[in-house]
Amino acid sequence: AQTVTQSQPEMSVQEAETVTLSCTYDTSENNYYLFWYKQPPSRQMILVIRQEAYKQQNATENRFSVNFQKAAKSFSLKISDSQLGDTAMYFCAFMKLGGNKLVFGAGTILRVKS
Amino acid sequence: DTAVSQTPKYLVTQMGNDKSIKCEQNLGHDTMYWYKQDSKKFLKIMFSYNNKELIINETVPNRFSPKSPDKAHLNLHINSLELGDSAVYFCASSRLSTLAGANEQFFGPGTRLTVL
Repeated sequence: AQTVTQSQPEMSVQEAETVTLSCTYDTSENNYYLFWYKQPPSRQMILVIRQEAYKQQNATENRFSVNFQKAAKSFSLKISDSQLGDTAMYFCAFMKLGGNKLVFGAGTILRVKS
Repeated sequence: DTAVSQTPKYLVTQMGNDKSIKCEQNLGHDTMYWYKQDSKKFLKIMFSYNNKELIINETVPNRFSPKSPDKAHLNLHINSLELGDSAVYFCASSRLSTLAGANEQFFGPGTRLTVL
């Protein structure tokens, strides 16, 4: 079974600064996908970024980028130029290739301060 | 033009009652899901249907019964509600993920269920 661990229950960052959220996972699969989801106070789950395990290049979406270390089973999210609207709970999630089940970490609350 | 919708958004009920939550998607997806988010915000999958067929059935009490009348709808019926059922329930949909690749799951707004 796969597990996803987010070791930071809460983080805070000043507006315009950079913050990194940590995620580690455990799996015996070789091919899989990793995701970061954002859940703002509105409760809506929003996909932020995804990474295919077979790709060595780290995924990037505008101010969001990941540091994917397959051997270390680590998948951190970097948010650059933090904005107040980035305040949310962030979930790291795993899906094995051919599976349809997202396995989520416990989440990290991120607060962006002005 | 809502993609994945759930009704109701809030549901308050007494222990022992039976209730249903409805979910509909207009994205043309063939796979739908129910996830439960508990009071500690932990999210876990409960069920998944592909083209009206059950494909994922996690360890969930049999008081929970999903029903998929067609591939655009996946409803969740809960019998004999208990205090521990209080949570936010999210419906999601996607195209089926296969060995060819994973597809993004789109989530509904959630239904906050409170059992008194």
